Amino acid sequence: GAVVSQHPSWVICKSGTSVKIECRSLDFQATTMFWYRQFPKQSLMLMATSNEGSKATYEQGVEKDKFLINHASLTLSTLTVTSAHPEDSSFYICSAYISGTPYEQYFGPGTRLTVT
Amino acid sequence: SQQGEEDPQALSIQEGENATMNCSYKTSINNLQWYRQNSGRGLVHLILIRSNEREKHSGRLRVTLDTSKKSSSLLITASRAADTASYFCATASNAGGTSYGKLTFGQGTILTVHP
Repeated sequence: GAVVSQHPSWVICKSGTSVKIECRSLDFQATTMFWYRQFPKQSLMLMATSNEGSKATYEQGVEKDKFLINHASLTLSTLTVTSAHPEDSSFYICSAYISGTPYEQYFGPGTRLTVT
Repeated sequence: SQQGEEDPQALSIQEGENATMNCSYKTSINNLQWYRQNSGRGLVHLILIRSNEREKHSGRLRVTLDTSKKSSSLLITASRAADTASYFCATASNAGGTSYGKLTFGQGTILTVHP
């Protein structure tokens, strides 16, 4: 149980285009999901908290107009990188928690984004 | 911001040896978790230790938590080549009165186990 999937697992896009990454909780409902970014050989940095039915909460320094988050349902959150630039190339990981266990997060397998 | 400091940043050992990684943090926590990440892959949850616990075991893993020193250690006994990965600690705390916990990750330790 408690499986989180991400799609796509990797994507290459051209500079200036937008790309959408999906995060799904497969066997549980997640009112809250989290989006992280990880650069090579570095740790995970929390970008934003995605709340079902409301606006996402962004961490300091993260551009909300560039990284659009939509938590459309209790099992799906999407991250759209708009007008992507090469410096946006990174590993994006989402996580979710089961309501009632807010301190235990389940992580997706990550999405490798390369912007050329 | 990353509140976890981990040391060493990199650890290279031979198969069969024990590996110890340390993590320090700055704020009060609800629990501390350890994760493993193989290169280019997602995170695998290893173990969670609550703030009122001092030691926890899971298979070849032993985790200690010292809240007075705000530090934790992960010990992997009898290491195997397959243990080669990056290991991260993450502290969970109530995010300013919200109903959910927020994870803050340490910088990680890259463990290499030579066969």
